[in-house]
Amino acid sequence: GAGVSQSPSNKVTEKGKDVELRCDPISGHTALYWYRQSLGQGLEFLIYFQGNSAPDKSGLPSDRFSAERTGGSVSTLTIQRTQQEDSAVYLCASSFPARADTQYFGPGTRLTVL
Amino acid sequence: AQKVTQAQTEISVVEKEDVTLDCVYETRDTTYYLFWYKQPPSGELVFLIRRNSFDEQNEISGRYSWNFQKSTSSFNFTITASQVVDSAVYFCALLPGAGNMLTFGGGTRLMVKP
Repeated sequence: GAGVSQSPSNKVTEKGKDVELRCDPISGHTALYWYRQSLGQGLEFLIYFQGNSAPDKSGLPSDRFSAERTGGSVSTLTIQRTQQEDSAVYLCASSFPARADTQYFGPGTRLTVL
Repeated sequence: AQKVTQAQTEISVVEKEDVTLDCVYETRDTTYYLFWYKQPPSGELVFLIRRNSFDEQNEISGRYSWNFQKSTSSFNFTITASQVVDSAVYFCALLPGAGNMLTFGGGTRLMVKP
């Protein structure tokens, strides 16, 4: 079956521009997670969605970061007014509800902010 | 708060050597899960193993083995008879039993030379 997909695979943007990163979870997975992998900070949690519940945004590094999940499926991570320190690989994962112990990761989006 | 430490940032071995990757964790939870992931040059996170805190039995899967010791809060990973294809970054991670976000260690880059 299809795994978690993310698009674009690579994104180069200029400082100050907004970017949107997309994640398509595995069908039937109502839980969705965003992580960021950067040189300085390693792999860190950003945000978690479960069904229609309010998301856990505790990992978002600033208010320039936001995420939404439409129809309980596709998720978009938006970064406004990008900064060079936002350069990283953004990873999405999904799982069945209450199965955070079995997260399936997508291939990631590599974001480069010039 | 959760913390995972992988003290070895980079290890280089020659093919067929055995190698152990160290992982030490900190948590106040009595129930938790520990993981190892492999990240090859392609960038995707590949799940290797999950262990819950109540199961201290060592596990072997082919050339891979894992040693979980609660007394020392360690979850070490050994590759026997390493191969060039084992070259990757390996991450250890922790998930609280009632939590949703993985806490990752900084990763260990393993280079296996022919």
